[in-house]
Amino acid sequence: DTGVSQDPRHKITKRGQNVTFRCDPISEHNRLYWYRQTLGQGPEFLTYFQNEAQLEKSRLLSDRFSAERPKGSFSTLEIQRTEQGDSAMYLCASSFGGHFYEQYFGPGTRLTVT
Amino acid sequence: AQSVTQLDSQVPVFEEAPVELRCNYSSSVSVYLFWYVQYPNQGLQLLLKYLSGSTLVESINGFEAEFNKSQTSFHLRKPSVHISDTAEYFCAVRPRETSGSRLTFGEGTQLTVNP
Repeated sequence: DTGVSQDPRHKITKRGQNVTFRCDPISEHNRLYWYRQTLGQGPEFLTYFQNEAQLEKSRLLSDRFSAERPKGSFSTLEIQRTEQGDSAMYLCASSFGGHFYEQYFGPGTRLTVT
Repeated sequence: AQSVTQLDSQVPVFEEAPVELRCNYSSSVSVYLFWYVQYPNQGLQLLLKYLSGSTLVESINGFEAEFNKSQTSFHLRKPSVHISDTAEYFCAVRPRETSGSRLTFGEGTQLTVNP
C-alpha cells in the first residue's frame, strides 16, 4: 500500500476560477478527512466522510466548497470562484475506523490563487 | 469545543542537546492526545499518541510525551536530538466520545537542530 495520495501536488489558479482536488485514501479505509493548512498555522478540519456519507462539515467550508466521495473510495474537493484567501495547503487523511485508529495524511495539495 | 496552544513557535537547539516542546489544551470533554511531525515537503506523520493507561508514551525514535490531566498539558521531550529531528511538530486533540473524530491542531513548533 502506497499510502494516501493527492493530486495535483501544486495548483496555481487565477481568482474566480474553479479548482478540483482529488484524494485517494489507503484502500479499505472507510473514513476520509479534509483539512486546510495556511502558512504558519496548524491544519484545520474541513469535513469528513464515512464511506460515501459526508457526516460533518466545518463552518470553514463555505458554500463555495463542496466535497464528494461518490463510491466510498476516492474523494474530490472543489472550490468554486476561488479567492486569494483560499490559498493554502489542502490535506487529506484516511483512517480504518473511529476512535482508536490513526489518521494517515497525504502529502497535500498546495493551492495558490493569484 | 477544543483548542490547543503550542507555547513556542520556534525552538532552536544544538545537536545532542535535550529538547521540550510544550503543548497545552482546553476541552470541555475528555480527549485523546497526539503529536504529529511534518518534515519539509512531506505529509503529517503520527509521532505518538495517548489514548489511555500510562500517562507517559514513547515513540520509536526516542521522543516521549507525558499527559498531565491537572495541567491539561502534553509536552513532548527528547533527551538528545539529532539533525534529522529538524521538522515542524504539531500537537493535536480529539474528543473521546464523539464518533466524528476530527482532530484539532495547535499552530505548530518548528524544531531546528543545529550542528
